[in-house]
Amino acid sequence: EDQVTQSPEALRLQEGESSSLNCSYTVSGLRGLFWYRQDPGKGPEFLFTLYSAGEEKEKERLKATLTKKESFLHITAPKPEDSATYLCAVRTTMDSSYKLIFGSGTRLLVRP
Amino acid sequence: GAVVSQHPSRVICKSGTSVKIECRSLDFQATTMFWYRQFPKQSLMLMATSNEGSKATYEQGVEKDKFLINHASLTLSTLTVTSAHPEDSSFYICSARDAPPGAANYGYTFGSGTRLTVV
Repeated sequence: EDQVTQSPEALRLQEGESSSLNCSYTVSGLRGLFWYRQDPGKGPEFLFTLYSAGEEKEKERLKATLTKKESFLHITAPKPEDSATYLCAVRTTMDSSYKLIFGSGTRLLVRP
Repeated sequence: GAVVSQHPSRVICKSGTSVKIECRSLDFQATTMFWYRQFPKQSLMLMATSNEGSKATYEQGVEKDKFLINHASLTLSTLTVTSAHPEDSSFYICSARDAPPGAANYGYTFGSGTRLTVV
């Protein structure tokens, strides 16, 4: 069964304290791995899409990496405005419906 | 970039009434749209996949007659919660696949969500 697991469930950081969020996946075949940021009471906001192992993408303080079994979202010198829930989702090659399988998310709190 | 507009953002309705939520793709044509439900501090739960011009595909356990989905055009999908009850209170989010069929790479753009409260 296709599965996506995110860890940790919650993470508290001091401003400037770099860390990484993990998204491990067990799927029949990976078509794409997506990272989203979600603020309370809002819809998810797109961050990155990764398609193959070894791929990396960066945006400001965020960098996403992908291996054959997991993805990391690295946050460098985070600021309080980076506080949000970060969601990971995958699309598999075996599913023609285009639907995403979501992980449970990591709630990040960055304290000033 | 691709934009998905979802309305209303908040709605309060009386038990037994129906509520319609709209999801529009503003600058692209969305052949496939998705409807999710999200409980507090939980991840998104897919309810159904809607394809323009055809019937929606519902996930296991989602009542088709309670959650009516219509995708009559390439830019609009609607979710109607019929005979709503307090247990239907939740945060509903739509998303659209923002690329034509067959495209190798594409994204999914989400609406801003609708907070439904049934009293």
